[in-house]
Amino acid sequence: EDQVTQSPEALRLQEGESSSLNCSYTVSGLRGLFWYRQDPGKGPEFLFTLYSAGEEKEKERLKATLTKKESFLHITAPKPEDSATYLCAVTGTYKYIFGTGTRLKVLA
Amino acid sequence: DSGVTQTPKHLITATGQRVTLRCSPRSGDLSVYWYQQSLDQGLQFLIQYYNGEERAKGNILERFSAQQFPDLHSELNLSSLELGDSALYFCASSPTVATNEKLFFGSGTQLSVL
Repeated sequence: EDQVTQSPEALRLQEGESSSLNCSYTVSGLRGLFWYRQDPGKGPEFLFTLYSAGEEKEKERLKATLTKKESFLHITAPKPEDSATYLCAVTGTYKYIFGTGTRLKVLA
Repeated sequence: DSGVTQTPKHLITATGQRVTLRCSPRSGDLSVYWYQQSLDQGLQFLIQYYNGEERAKGNILERFSAQQFPDLHSELNLSSLELGDSALYFCASSPTVATNEKLFFGSGTQLSVL
């Protein structure tokens, strides 16, 4: 069965304290792995798409990497405005499967 | 702004009632997805439409139904509502049926069943 597991469920960081979020997945015929950011009461906002193992994407303080079994979202020197829930999703043939997310809180 | 419009933003109703949620996809997008998000279960895929036709079904209850109209807007109908149906309902769109495209999400409809 296709599945996505994200860890940790919640993470508190001090401003400037770098860390990584994990997304482990099982899917038949991976078409893409996606990272989204979701702020409270809002819809998920697209961050990255990764298509094959070894691929990396960067945007400001965020860097996403992909292996055959998992993806990491690395956050370097985070700021309070990076506080949000980060969602990982994978796609197979027909549908997008989302993980339950990591709630990130960055303290000033 | 993602370009996906959902109405209403908030909906409060009673158990047993029926409601309709509406979604207008981004201009040019042919695929529409519906998701339910509750605190303990994350984003649950309900159903996908592509150019007016049902494309894929997820964990959608028999009390729920959806359709996509010729102008590509979509409606999600929820009937015989129960307390457990209270959740955020999101619509998302993408240009084609391909599953390697990013989804664009609306801002959601917060449904409260009292």
